[in-house]
Amino acid sequence: EDQVTQSPEALRLQEGESSSLNCSYTVSGLRGLFWYRQDPGKGPEFLFTLYSAGEEKEKERLKATLTKKESFLHITAPKPEDSATYLCAVLGRGSTLGRLYFGRGTQLTVWP
Amino acid sequence: KAGVTQTPRYLIKTRGQQVTLSCSPISGHRSVSWYQQTPGQGLQFLFEYFSETQRNKGNFPGRFSGRQFSNSRSEMNVSTLELGDSALYLCASSPPTGEKGIGYTFGSGTRLTVV
Repeated sequence: EDQVTQSPEALRLQEGESSSLNCSYTVSGLRGLFWYRQDPGKGPEFLFTLYSAGEEKEKERLKATLTKKESFLHITAPKPEDSATYLCAVLGRGSTLGRLYFGRGTQLTVWP
Repeated sequence: KAGVTQTPRYLIKTRGQQVTLSCSPISGHRSVSWYQQTPGQGLQFLFEYFSETQRNKGNFPGRFSGRQFSNSRSEMNVSTLELGDSALYLCASSPPTGEKGIGYTFGSGTRLTVV
C-alpha cells in the first residue's frame, strides 16, 4: 500500500524565519505528488502538483521540490498568515485517479 | 468557476441514526471522491465515483455507502451512526484524465458530530 510520512508534526517559526517541511513517500509508480494547505475547519486548499523527480514549483513564499523518495515544501520568510496545516498526498500507478494517500500533515505556526 | 459544494456544513446526529451528505463537484468534473478526516487518523479514503459507478472503495464498514447521479453530484450515507463516525467528511472533485497541473479540489466539508 502507498504510504506518506510527513515531518515534523508541528513547526513554530518566527516571522521571516525560513524553513522546510518534509514528505517521504513509498508508492508503486508515482503519478503525482500533491501539496495542500488546510486551515482549521476548512477543506484542503490545493497548492502544487509535482510529477517527476527534479521538478520544482513556486507560489509566493512557497517552493515545492521532488526527489525519487521525498518532497520538500520550502517556506521563505514566512508571515503569520502562512500558519496552517500543510498536507502531502500521493497518487500511485496502482490506484484509481481519485484515490490519494495523505500524510498526517505538518502544523505550521508563524508568530510575529 | 464555482468550487466543490458540500451540504450541510454542520450536522449533529444521535447514535443509531443515519445521515446523508451531499457533494456537487466542479462543473465538468465527473470524478468525485470522499474522505473522512479525524484528528487520530488524518485523511482516509472512503470511495470514488466516476460516471455513476463506484470505481474504488476504502477500508470502511458497509455502513458507509455512496452514489453518484447523472449530473455528477454525489451523496454518501452512513447508517447506524456510532460515536466514532464523528469527523469532517470531505469531497474532492477531479478533472478529466490527462488534464495535468490542476490537482484535486476539495469542498469545505461537512462536520458530523454523533452524540
